[in-house]
Amino acid sequence: DTEVTQTPKHLVMGMTNKKSLKCEQHMGHRAMYWYKQKAKKPPELMFVYSYEKLSINESVPSRFSPECPNSSLLNLHLHALQPEDSALYLCASSQGRQSSGNTIYFGEGSWLTVV
Amino acid sequence: EDKVVQSPLSLVVHEGDTVTLNCSYEVTNFRSLLWYKQEKKAPTFLFMLTSSGIEKKSGRLSSILDKKELFSILNITATQTGDSAVYLCAVITMGNTPLVFGKGTRLSVIA
Repeated sequence: DTEVTQTPKHLVMGMTNKKSLKCEQHMGHRAMYWYKQKAKKPPELMFVYSYEKLSINESVPSRFSPECPNSSLLNLHLHALQPEDSALYLCASSQGRQSSGNTIYFGEGSWLTVV
Repeated sequence: EDKVVQSPLSLVVHEGDTVTLNCSYEVTNFRSLLWYKQEKKAPTFLFMLTSSGIEKKSGRLSSILDKKELFSILNITATQTGDSAVYLCAVITMGNTPLVFGKGTRLSVIA
């Protein structure tokens, strides 16, 4: 079983809503990630936090706002999303920095539908 | 630009068959190659390969890396319907993008 926990598992939101996706890991990992995955496509990187600092933002629109309150938690705040933002949002973590060759473990994902 | 190419993109086999999935890569500063299995949810980690020629095994699954020819294969023997999934290959580089994914191979095992 994955040790990266994501909530909620499913979320339906309107284009004017504000909601958050949450991710938690207790493996002592110091790097955490948000990926977005559309149907029949591989995951696409959105953000990377390394030692609780944002180290990569892959040109993601500002309607997605990440937050890393501490080394175990990662949030993704959502506001004014568009229907095309509907996707599976995956959180992941790894032992250290992304370039150290550490395995990246994924949570089960949050299925987001924007109506 | 870093690139990971998987083949075939999809495959249908009968239970009991053996399959070989391919992953080739062109990246700068290669660190490791990962295989994941994805059913309806998140990718599940299968193997991490860092050195050439050392086979990793887990039950009916095995994988090997060739860093000279820049590819890896994932073998599944005696396939079962539960092996039906998308198999993703990803490469860890020392660049800014932590994982470069291939498009995946969709494997369907029919009884």
